[in-house]
Amino acid sequence: QAQLEESGGGVVQPGRSLRLSCAASGFTFSTYGMHWVRQAPGKGLEWVAVMSYDGSNIYYSDSVKGRFTISRDNSKNTLSLQMNSLRAEDTAVYYCAREVGQYSYGNDAFDIWGQGTMVTVSS
Amino acid sequence: EIVLTQSPGTLSLSPGERATLSCRASQSLSNIYLAWYQQKPGQTPSLLIYGASSRATGIPDRFSGSGSGTDFTLTISRLEPEDFAVYYCQQYGTSPPITFGQGTRLEIK
Repeated sequence: QAQLEESGGGVVQPGRSLRLSCAASGFTFSTYGMHWVRQAPGKGLEWVAVMSYDGSNIYYSDSVKGRFTISRDNSKNTLSLQMNSLRAEDTAVYYCAREVGQYSYGNDAFDIWGQGTMVTVSS
Repeated sequence: EIVLTQSPGTLSLSPGERATLSCRASQSLSNIYLAWYQQKPGQTPSLLIYGASSRATGIPDRFSGSGSGTDFTLTISRLEPEDFAVYYCQQYGTSPPITFGQGTRLEIK
């Protein structure tokens, strides 16, 4: 069945960088738009970024724009999030999520979620 | 950015009762791009409803979604013990940013 597995989280100092990965399996990764969503400890869900199935549409939340970069490698079924200039407020569990429909451009609900990877930004 | 406001913040009910959760958008969602998710403690969010009223795969029919424009509702017709969780609405409009409501905690009375 369709699965997503995030990796790359950890503890990092403010101002440093971290790269998250999301490995997809059980579905045709190259036909789905993919998102990153985060959840700070004890808080609600916050959308972070999206890349359409073909990489042509990329959007970011204002809170990460200019610092985070989303990318995908359809040959390796992998989604990535490069996070630079990290801040304490970036501390959260980061989830990758798949859109419901194939061939959409970032305007769809999310039907498959990974288990998440924790990022802690602290000195 | 479209702001979603969920009410109530916490809803206390007993198993077998009917639950009605509200989600109000700061502007009209012209294409009904509204979803509902359930998140249990320590677990990943799971999709319940998309397109305001379409149940996701495997979701029991006691869950239903309705609404249009700026006002949307998730109804759980008869609460089961496993339904007590946090529920989030999400709008995924015609262009980002995608936004979530702040959540409604459904707790056992």
